[in-house]
Amino acid sequence: EPEVTQTPSHQVTQMGQEVILRCVPISNHLYFYWYRQILGQKVEFLVSFYNNEISEKSEIFDDQFSVERPDGSNFTLKIRSTKLEDSAMYFCASSVSSGKETQYFGPGTRLLVL
Amino acid sequence: GDSVTQMEGPVTLSEEAFLTINCTYTATGYPSLFWYVQYPGEGLQLLLKATKADDKGSNKGFEATYRKETTSFHLEKGSVQVSDSAVYFCALLSGGTSYGKLTFGQGTILTVHP
Repeated sequence: EPEVTQTPSHQVTQMGQEVILRCVPISNHLYFYWYRQILGQKVEFLVSFYNNEISEKSEIFDDQFSVERPDGSNFTLKIRSTKLEDSAMYFCASSVSSGKETQYFGPGTRLLVL
Repeated sequence: GDSVTQMEGPVTLSEEAFLTINCTYTATGYPSLFWYVQYPGEGLQLLLKATKADDKGSNKGFEATYRKETTSFHLEKGSVQVSDSAVYFCALLSGGTSYGKLTFGQGTILTVHP
């Protein structure tokens, strides 16, 4: 069964450093998403992406964040200058379309900013 | 804005007990409703969904009915197993112009003892 994959599974970085989290969505899916879950808190929407453009973003997704689909398979989330409060589990998801379609999630990348 | 409220956890049950995890929501329009499950060390997996009022989603013995009049989507299982121990998330997907932004509840930790 096709699945969403994410790399790395864990990343430790120093405050102020740039990190890139990678995701490979399910191959026939057209919509891609990033969510994050700070330890002990709710899963929060960050951004949705379709047709090489951001479709919607939350207030969390400020200028420090960017997303890209650099080739036909990868979908990346970049944090330019990490802060302590960026420490969280980051989930990538994909869906065939938007609206009522099910989103399928990857296993997550646990980011720790020191 | 949209919101999802789940019953406080953690929930601890003995094997074969009946499970209910309450979920209520606030949303504009006609959202789709989902239950996701997160097993220890893994990502979010879709458990079941319902896309319109009075629909019942079911999977692996779990079921939930979309109740528009009470804005609820409670998760139930008649006889839980140790392997059901996980975190359960209720979520909604707004219709309309939202490009697939899932709104999650805070999650309910379920522990099932033999």
